[in-house]
Amino acid sequence: DIQMTQSPSSVAASVGDSVTITCRASQGISTWLAWYQQKPGKAPKLLISAASILQSGVPSRFSGSRSGTDFTLTINSLQPEDFATYYCQHAYTFPLTFGGGTKVEIK
Amino acid sequence: EVHLLESGGGLVQPGGSLRLSCEASGFTFSSYAMAWVRQAPGKGLEWVSTISLTFSSSFYPDSVKGRFTISRDDSKNTLYLQMNSLRDEDTAVYFCAKPSSPTNSYFDSWGQGTLVTVSS
Repeated sequence: DIQMTQSPSSVAASVGDSVTITCRASQGISTWLAWYQQKPGKAPKLLISAASILQSGVPSRFSGSRSGTDFTLTINSLQPEDFATYYCQHAYTFPLTFGGGTKVEIK
Repeated sequence: EVHLLESGGGLVQPGGSLRLSCEASGFTFSSYAMAWVRQAPGKGLEWVSTISLTFSSSFYPDSVKGRFTISRDDSKNTLYLQMNSLRDEDTAVYFCAKPSSPTNSYFDSWGQGTLVTVSS
């Protein structure tokens, strides 16, 4: 099974800051990676697919990139509504696996 | 607009069974694989199962293989998850999820979730 190691598990930031979240796949997954945002009590929301494709309606301050088996979600100019938990997920093969999550908290 | 509505959750004793349902609307249900994803209280997301188009194939992680069965009724636009031999660690909110295209596993639509509690 492909393991997704996500870091950090939590980060404290202020409005206007930039935040970077990383996911490392245990083997090559090409660009088969998604990023989700989840707020308490809500279902996850797909932000980015195929490592870097922003979903319709997602603000451009969110971006994704890939370097080998390392994937990065960057949030520029953090807004109040961005404080949430973020998950990566590989979509390369079954079983699908998610990263452990990164909670972005207000500093 | 895509709408997914789960039902069937509740309290069940260890070793018991439960069947979850997910009614879909707003898209051509029969044209998409569908999935279940769960989230234990205070924990992360865990993929539970995917069923392909025309239910020719189904997939599970080892944690539920042999105990859970995914199925679909395209005439009713409904996805199911039959859960048997339930364990304490199966306690979670179960989400129904639709991929963004028929050929990938990026989930762009989710239901609100249904809570399954396994406890004596």
